[in-house]
Amino acid sequence: EVQLVESGGGLVKPGGSLRLSCAASGFTFSSYSMNWVRQAPGKGLEWVSSISSSSSYIYYADSVKGRFTISRDNAKNSLYLQMNSLRAEDTAVYYCARDSGGRRRGELFDYWGQGTLVTVSS
Amino acid sequence: SYVLTQPPSVSVAPGQTARITCGGNNIGSKSVHWYQQKPGQAPVLVVYDDSDRPSGIPERFSGSNSGNTATLTISRVEAGDEADYYCQVWDSSSDHPTVFGGGTKLTVL
Repeated sequence: EVQLVESGGGLVKPGGSLRLSCAASGFTFSSYSMNWVRQAPGKGLEWVSSISSSSSYIYYADSVKGRFTISRDNAKNSLYLQMNSLRAEDTAVYYCARDSGGRRRGELFDYWGQGTLVTVSS
Repeated sequence: SYVLTQPPSVSVAPGQTARITCGGNNIGSKSVHWYQQKPGQAPVLVVYDDSDRPSGIPERFSGSNSGNTATLTISRVEAGDEADYYCQVWDSSSDHPTVFGGGTKLTVL
């Protein structure tokens, strides 16, 4: 069974940093591109970042470029999101989501984690 | 950038058919995917590539796509279908090709 479990969310002050993790199991993690997608309270879904299976290709939404860094450790079956210079508008539930096999990055998300809440507030 | 437009809400009585639309310029030329999100839960893929269903998704969920409108159809609606539904496409002409619609709240009366 595919499982994605996020952790690392919490309350942080504006300008602060946080590192999210996503532990994957039930599939060959190193064969899939992975993504972070966020959802602000009461709002819709917003793609944040993608990383290819070997970390060769990395993409960011304009809203987070230069502040967030996506990475992965295939030996540990884990995906990460380092978030720096956080702003109030980054407050959201952050989901890790798997790209469906054989698709372009961010084309189709076939499995999602349960999400972790990041709150940026003073 | 490519824009997907969904109605904010749709209401339907149990046992009836719900239709949720997703509008976009020439969306019929793209593959449309639909996600269901119940309160406090993660999104779940219910229809992909316009009309295909992942394993485990009831046949009551179906999709179509033509012209400027894609439609998610839920037949014989049940109380458990009450959720937010999001459409999504991949826009190859954009630097950031993943596009979500704004979401539609399905209320079962």
